[in-house]
Order: sequence, then structure tokens, then C-alpha cells
Amino acid sequence: DVQLVQSGAEVKKPGESLRLSCQTSGYSFPSYWITWVRQVPGKGLEWIGRIDPSDPYTNYSPSFEGHVTISADKSSSTVYLEWSSLKTSDTAVYYCARHLTWLQADPLHIWGQGTLVTVSS
Amino acid sequence: ENDLTQSPGTLSLSPGERATLSCRASQTVSNNYLAWYQQKPGQAPRLLIYGASSRATGIPDRFSGSGSGTDFTVTISRLEPEDFAVYFCHQYGNSPNTFGQGTRLEIK
Repeated sequence: DVQLVQSGAEVKKPGESLRLSCQTSGYSFPSYWITWVRQVPGKGLEWIGRIDPSDPYTNYSPSFEGHVTISADKSSSTVYLEWSSLKTSDTAVYYCARHLTWLQADPLHIWGQGTLVTVSS
Repeated sequence: ENDLTQSPGTLSLSPGERATLSCRASQTVSNNYLAWYQQKPGQAPRLLIYGASSRATGIPDRFSGSGSGTDFTVTISRLEPEDFAVYFCHQYGNSPNTFGQGTRLEIK
């Protein structure tokens, strides 16, 4: 079975750094793009950006570019979402999701369980 | 950025009724690359429809998608109790991808 398993909930202070992980299994890791999505509790979904694990080529929403970094480690079939300096407005649930096929422009088929990040002083 | 507006914000219906949810884009969605997801409380979204009208694997045939260009619809022909949830549309034809704000489908 294809699975995306995300790291556990985090509580951080403003200005701290953080790296979330999304460990994949059950398929060829380099063959499928992975996208990260943010959801503020009780609100809608926001597209953060995506990565082609085979390159790794990335692209970001302008709303997030420069504030987060997406990376991939082929040796562990894991994708990461990282911040160097968190803000309170980063408080949200973060999902990783695998694309349906090998295409860059593709719907999000298999989702991780989500990671709640709380940023508070 | 291609903004997506979903309507209505909340839809109150009874089991057995037909539900029609809409998604309107501010620009033409390239290749009709429009998907729909269902999300239940405490769960990740689940892909229902992609390419505007193709059902994802394992999705019951009471779910159907239609539309093209800027106007898209998902229809649930006969509501089952498990269908009451929040539904999001997602355009993936342009970067950045965007999502609609969601429609809450609640039991009347």
C-alpha cells in the first residue's frame, strides 16, 4: 500500500526553526511529485508548493516562497518542509500529498495524516 | 493567481436528496484540470474527482463532476449519511495551484 506518514505535532516559539517530515512507502519515490498544503484549523486549504523528488526541482506559491523550503531525501524516501524562522501565523495543520501520476500538474491522490504546528510565545 | 469561489458556503439537505456544489474560477482552468476533495473532521482530504469529471479509484458512482472553462460542478445524486462533510475544489492547471474556500454539506 502507498503510505505517507508525517512527523508528529510541534509546539514552537516565534523565531524558532522547524522541519516537518513526510516519509513515503509502497511506490517508486522518484516517480511522483509531492505537494505540501496548509490548513488553518477550521479554515480552507492553501497550496504551499511541490517537489519532484527525482531532481529535486521545486516550485512555490508566491505566498510562501522565501519563508519555507521543500526538500527531498531519496535515500530515505522522505520529503521535508522547513522554516528557519517561524511566525505565529504559521500555526496550522500541514499535509503532504502525492500526485496521482508522474505529472507536475496533477491532483493530490494520497495524503499524509497531517501535522499540527502551533507557534506561540 | 486563479481564484476559486465555491457556492454555496453551506448546503443543508437530507439523506436521499441530490446535492449540487459549484466552483467558479476567476480565469480559465487550463486543460480543465479541476479536482474535488471531501474532508471530514480530523481527517485529511480525499480525492473524489479529477480532470473535472473523472472519478478517483473507489469513489461511488453517485458522485459526478462536470463543467469546463471557469464553471465546475460536483453532484451527489442521492446523499448517504457518510457524504456529509466539507468539499473543496482545486485547480492544478496553473501555478500556483489554488483551492476554493469549501462548501459545508450538512444534514438538514
